[in-house]
Amino acid sequence: EAGVTQSPTHLIKTRGQQATLRCSPISGHTSVYWYQQALGLGLQFLLWYDEGEERNRGNFPPRFSGRQFPNYSSELNVNALELEDSALYLCASSLGLAGSETQYFGPGTRLLVL
Amino acid sequence: SQQGEEDPQALSIQEGENATMNCSYKTSINNLQWYRQNSGRGLVHLILIRSNEREKHSGRLRVTLDTSKKSSSLLITASRAADTASYFCATPNNDMRFGAGTRLTVKP
Repeated sequence: EAGVTQSPTHLIKTRGQQATLRCSPISGHTSVYWYQQALGLGLQFLLWYDEGEERNRGNFPPRFSGRQFPNYSSELNVNALELEDSALYLCASSLGLAGSETQYFGPGTRLLVL
Repeated sequence: SQQGEEDPQALSIQEGENATMNCSYKTSINNLQWYRQNSGRGLVHLILIRSNEREKHSGRLRVTLDTSKKSSSLLITASRAADTASYFCATPNNDMRFGAGTRLTVKP
């Protein structure tokens, strides 16, 4: 069974540009979560999607947005990139169930903003 | 905001020794989960303990949960160099809140 996949693995952008990150969940999983992990720090919750709807959002500005497609894959968009957006962005999927079950993580996309 | 807080932030031991990491959380929970992250990669789920459980084992891992103290501990017995990683506790609450992690180094 294929795990959670993310693309691209690395992304280099300059300040002010937009970044689009993609995630494909494990087959059968309806929930997708996005996290930001700055270098050497813990995970900061960004967004949770389930069945195509945004279920919860972390403490991030509106320039962080996303969506979930009918096939449950998801995109994270970051507009007007700032230097401090440089981080590892992790996607996870689960069976949903009110966000209380085990999450399975992808390998991440490392975003560098110059 | 973080929900779980791990302690210590960093731990260095010799191969064969046991490693104990602690986690404290703030709100009531249905379950608490521990994850491992190898350097700069995705997280791997280790173990889930439900709020009505006090102890759970999985191989060399032993997790305890004290809901009265809002704390959990992860014990890795007979550690190996391959156990070198960051360990996070996480508590679900309409999302998943992770602590800052404990960085474990196991020296061969």
